[in-house]
Amino acid sequence: TQLLEQSPQFLSIQEGENLTVYCNSSSVFSSLQWYRQEPGEGPVLLVTVVTGGEVKKLKRLTFQFGDARKDSSLHITAAQTGDTGLYLCAGGTMEYGNKLVFGAGTILRVKS
Amino acid sequence: KAGVTQTPRYLIKTRGQQVTLSCSPISGHRSVSWYQQTPGQGLQFLFEYFSETQRNKGNFPGRFSGRQFSNSRSEMNVSTLELGDSALYLCASSQIQGWNTGELFFGEGSRLTVL
Repeated sequence: TQLLEQSPQFLSIQEGENLTVYCNSSSVFSSLQWYRQEPGEGPVLLVTVVTGGEVKKLKRLTFQFGDARKDSSLHITAAQTGDTGLYLCAGGTMEYGNKLVFGAGTILRVKS
Repeated sequence: KAGVTQTPRYLIKTRGQQVTLSCSPISGHRSVSWYQQTPGQGLQFLFEYFSETQRNKGNFPGRFSGRQFSNSRSEMNVSTLELGDSALYLCASSQIQGWNTGELFFGEGSRLTVL
């Protein structure tokens, strides 16, 4: 069982559509990060959220940290083919010791 | 500045062999973490080194080991390879230790196939 559960596991959409991916846990996290990984490369940090209820926007990407700091979502508006990749959430919690825990990821494919 | 460099990028081994992977962090970064990535499991934490000392360890058997040198470069070793060890091994560096690091900078990974 993953400490961080991501859904959906796989998403295939047309360019221009909107989408939301989720990252959920029963544990409280001090912070949550979202990374994107493209084939053949390592993950790259997109954003870090640290305050319950926090919303951060990065161009067409909107990140939200749940009020109870147990969940997060990533919303993409008007998806582009360049958004294709594996989206990973990662969090820090003292329950899991002093290390960053990753979810299994959501594979996003945006078709033109 | 140069990113995190991992070598080799690809390697094929047979069961029972051992393998050593290398990671050169970003200049000035003293923390190096290693992760194993497999489809469906995501990134599983192996260990973290800071100032040549192992600071954290994940739930992997003793066949997985690592070390860090005085220049912050790190190696990980897997002995007595098993088929299930086939994975992408990612190294990440950061300026400080622990999960409050702000950002992990990942290398491109070493793809290990065990036959």
